[in-house]
Amino acid sequence: GAVVSQHPSWVICKSGTSVKIECRSLDFQATTMFWYRQFPKQSLMLMATSNEGSKATYEQGVEKDKFLINHASLTLSTLTVTSAHPEDSSFYICSAKSGGMNTEAFFGQGTRLTVV
Amino acid sequence: AQSVTQPDIHITVSEGASLELRCNYSYGATPYLFWYVQSPGQGLQLLLKYFSGDTLVQGIKGFEAEFKRSQSSFNLRKPSVHWSDAAEYFCAVGALGTDKLIFGTGTRLQVFP
Repeated sequence: GAVVSQHPSWVICKSGTSVKIECRSLDFQATTMFWYRQFPKQSLMLMATSNEGSKATYEQGVEKDKFLINHASLTLSTLTVTSAHPEDSSFYICSAKSGGMNTEAFFGQGTRLTVV
Repeated sequence: AQSVTQPDIHITVSEGASLELRCNYSYGATPYLFWYVQSPGQGLQLLLKYFSGDTLVQGIKGFEAEFKRSQSSFNLRKPSVHWSDAAEYFCAVGALGTDKLIFGTGTRLQVFP
């Protein structure tokens, strides 16, 4: 299957700083990328959907000014957690797909964010 | 609204035993259904998917799932579990008219030797 890579795998930052997480599709062009948040021992919660060259569509309750998403190319999307606080600590996972609704999305390995 | 229910939060089986993980969905039309596996601290790997056609779907690692419309279920099965199958398993449904996936709460599988 296709490969999606996230970087970094884990990051620790100080409260009030911003953190950028990258999601890259290594061997295909990702027209659509998704960002999820996963709390310990819970399911994945979709945060936003981004299409290359367009503004991201955020799910209800997700602060777009807090979680900045950029999908500037067909192989890269970034999630920036601005002014991070301890409650933003979580596991963030991206996925990417190259086709329509009945095509498979491939997941990155996730990024563990800890805000201290 | 679409939803996915995985009734079993945690399942423990012995290595070599058979396995069935339950998944029920709520959906207004023929759903796209998926099973993913997640190892600790990792992303998700697709085990299998159902879009249409044969209701018994074969996946990777010896897993299969059966779509039963009458029961709104898509249960995952494996005839003989290996220790390496210990992980978190998520059932998901493709949301109507979108690219989104709606995930169940997951079932944690523990395998004893």
